[in-house]
Amino acid sequence: QSALTQPASVSGSPGQSITISCTGTSSDIGTYNLVSWYQQHPGKAPKLMIFEGGKRPSGVSNRFSGSKSGNTASLTISGLQAEDEADYYCCSYAGSGTYVFGTGTKVTVL
Amino acid sequence: QVQLVQSGAEVKKPGSSVKVSCKASGGTFSTYTISWVRQAPGQGLEWMGGIIPLFGTPNYAQKFQGRVTITTDESTSTAFMELNSLRSEDTAMYYCARPPPEGRDVFDIWGQGTMLTVSS
Repeated sequence: QSALTQPASVSGSPGQSITISCTGTSSDIGTYNLVSWYQQHPGKAPKLMIFEGGKRPSGVSNRFSGSKSGNTASLTISGLQAEDEADYYCCSYAGSGTYVFGTGTKVTVL
Repeated sequence: QVQLVQSGAEVKKPGSSVKVSCKASGGTFSTYTISWVRQAPGQGLEWMGGIIPLFGTPNYAQKFQGRVTITTDESTSTAFMELNSLRSEDTAMYYCARPPPEGRDVFDIWGQGTMLTVSS
């Protein structure tokens, strides 16, 4: 159960789009369409942004979108805003009632 | 509105144990997985294990097998996470989390976190 691999940091200017990748294996992302994405601001609990690969919970901006191809999932933030500056984590179901998180990506709005 | 309220911060010595609680209110307790997730200072999220109170059989991440015990008390809608043989690397914020009422494989509702400091 190794952590999913994410880039350590991604940055963009306001209004731009950025994409965060999340690479797993055939035992997690590649088998299950149960990838979720979480946003975490400093000192706060994580917040669910995307579930089941590309669905948004009620209240989450449609600027956030998710996708999956093979063993890699991606989170795209379009129309980047200052409030999007945070840490982002992917998470996948890994079978037998277990889950694995990604290594985390710090998003900086320039 | 489902809420999870965790017990307060803990300071423990290396080699000792800690038991953190997570009390649910405002919704059904027994049929939703309660998971425990930890985050060391400046580090990422780490899933430790989870349990469905109705079934009572926990699942643990390999890394914590043999050192963590997750239990529930349905009479008080409370989940517990006990971690043994504490070492300094266990210093972290510990969160409980569960799916939304509509039920999905996600962590939608989070406790406020319990800070554990392991120090001699």
